[in-house]
Amino acid sequence: AQKVTQAQTEISVVEKEDVTLDCVYETRDTTYYLFWYKQPPSGELVFLIRRNSFDEQNEISGRYSWNFQKSTSSFNFTITASQVVDSAVYFCALNFGNEKLTFGTGTRLTIIP
Amino acid sequence: NAGVTQTPKFQVLKTGQSMTLQCAQDMNHEYMSWYRQDPGMGLRLIHYSVGAGITDQGEVPNGYNVSRSTTEDFPLRLLSAAPSQTSVYFCASRSLVLRDYGYTFGSGTRLTVV
Repeated sequence: AQKVTQAQTEISVVEKEDVTLDCVYETRDTTYYLFWYKQPPSGELVFLIRRNSFDEQNEISGRYSWNFQKSTSSFNFTITASQVVDSAVYFCALNFGNEKLTFGTGTRLTIIP
Repeated sequence: NAGVTQTPKFQVLKTGQSMTLQCAQDMNHEYMSWYRQDPGMGLRLIHYSVGAGITDQGEVPNGYNVSRSTTEDFPLRLLSAAPSQTSVYFCASRSLVLRDYGYTFGSGTRLTVV
């Protein structure tokens, strides 16, 4: 079965704390693409990162970092020194080699000032 | 600005009414798709298209029709709206040639069926 699981439904942290959002996927394909999207309260979907299954290098972009581990089928997202503007719903998603994008159920992150 | 344009942004329908949600992109993307977003369920694929004249069903196609007569447009039709179709609908597109970036999403249509 091809599936994306975001077990954390809601997370709340105090501003400036670090927070990690978990994403676990299932697939039999060897070629696939992993994504993270942010959905702020305004409702639009903001693309954060795309990673293919052959590139296990971790990525850092400012306060955001992503840890891709094929051995555990995980693609976790860490926000360092969180800010109130990071409050949003975050979605992990996968393209399993066809054109369909399969989403997890999302994690609602609340940053408390 | 280049991107995916969805209209309308908000719509209230009565049960049994029909309507079309519009989606247009100006990036010459071959792939276009419709998703619905419901609380606690993430985004689920309704229908998709890989080019003009080609459409296929996604995970939750019942109650929806699509067509793709041009590369730019991919309308979603509700023939007889039901309260279960109350949701936020997103259109997304991507290039099938350039695989270096993610899908581009529209800003969404919030539909309420009463």
